[in-house]
Amino acid sequence: AQSVTQLDSQVPVFEEAPVELRCNYSSSVSVYLFWYVQYPNQGLQLLLKYLSGSTLVKGINGFEAEFNKSQTSFHLRKPSVHISDTAEYFCAVTLPLPGSARQLTFGSGTQLTVLP
Amino acid sequence: GAVVSQHPSWVICKSGTSVKIECRSLDFQATTMFWYRQFPKQSLMLMATSNEGSKATYEQGVEKDKFLINHASLTLSTLTVTSAHPEDSSFYICSALTRRGIYNEQFFGPGTRLTVL
Repeated sequence: AQSVTQLDSQVPVFEEAPVELRCNYSSSVSVYLFWYVQYPNQGLQLLLKYLSGSTLVKGINGFEAEFNKSQTSFHLRKPSVHISDTAEYFCAVTLPLPGSARQLTFGSGTQLTVLP
Repeated sequence: GAVVSQHPSWVICKSGTSVKIECRSLDFQATTMFWYRQFPKQSLMLMATSNEGSKATYEQGVEKDKFLINHASLTLSTLTVTSAHPEDSSFYICSALTRRGIYNEQFFGPGTRLTVL
C-alpha cells in the first residue's frame, strides 16, 4: 500500500517570499505523484503531476515540484508567493497501472497562508 | 474541458431525512466516479468507487446502506445520505475519471456542504 506524508500542517509565509511545501511518500513500487490545491469551500484543482521523465515538473500558477526517488520526496515550490496562493495543498499518489481506474491516496494537507 | 459539477453546493436538513447529492461530468463521459468525504481541516477520505452500470465499491468502514450510490449513466452519479444524523455533516466531494494520455486523471467537483440539524 502507498502512503503520503505532508510534514507541515501549516506554513505561514510573507507575500513575495519563496515557499516549499514538503511531501514524502512510501511505496514498494513506482507511483505517479500529484499536487492539488483547494480553496475554501471548493473542490480540488490539479497544480501539477509527475508521471515519468524529467524530475522537475512545472505546473500552474508558477508552482513547480521536484521528484526525488532516492529520498521518496515530491516537494512543491514557488519562488514568490501571492496573497491569492493562500489555500490548502494536498500531495497525492496513485499506482501507474494502465487501463484501470486508480484511487488516489492523499496526504493530510498543508495550509499555506500568505501574509501581507 | 473536463468539468465536473455537483448539486447542491450546500444543503441543510433535519435529522432523519435523506439527502441526495448529484455529481455530473459536463463535457466528458466517466465510467468511474469517486466519492470523498472531508471533515474540517482534514484530508479527503475515499468513501466509494462508483462504476456505471454496476454496484459501487465501498471502502472499509463506510456503511453502504447509509450512503447509497447510483451511477445510472456515463455522466451522472448520485450519493444519497439516508436517515441523516448530525455526525453525517461534512463536505462531500466527487471526482470523475477520464483518460489523459498514459493515465486516468480524476477531475473533482466543487463539493457539497451537508449540515444535519
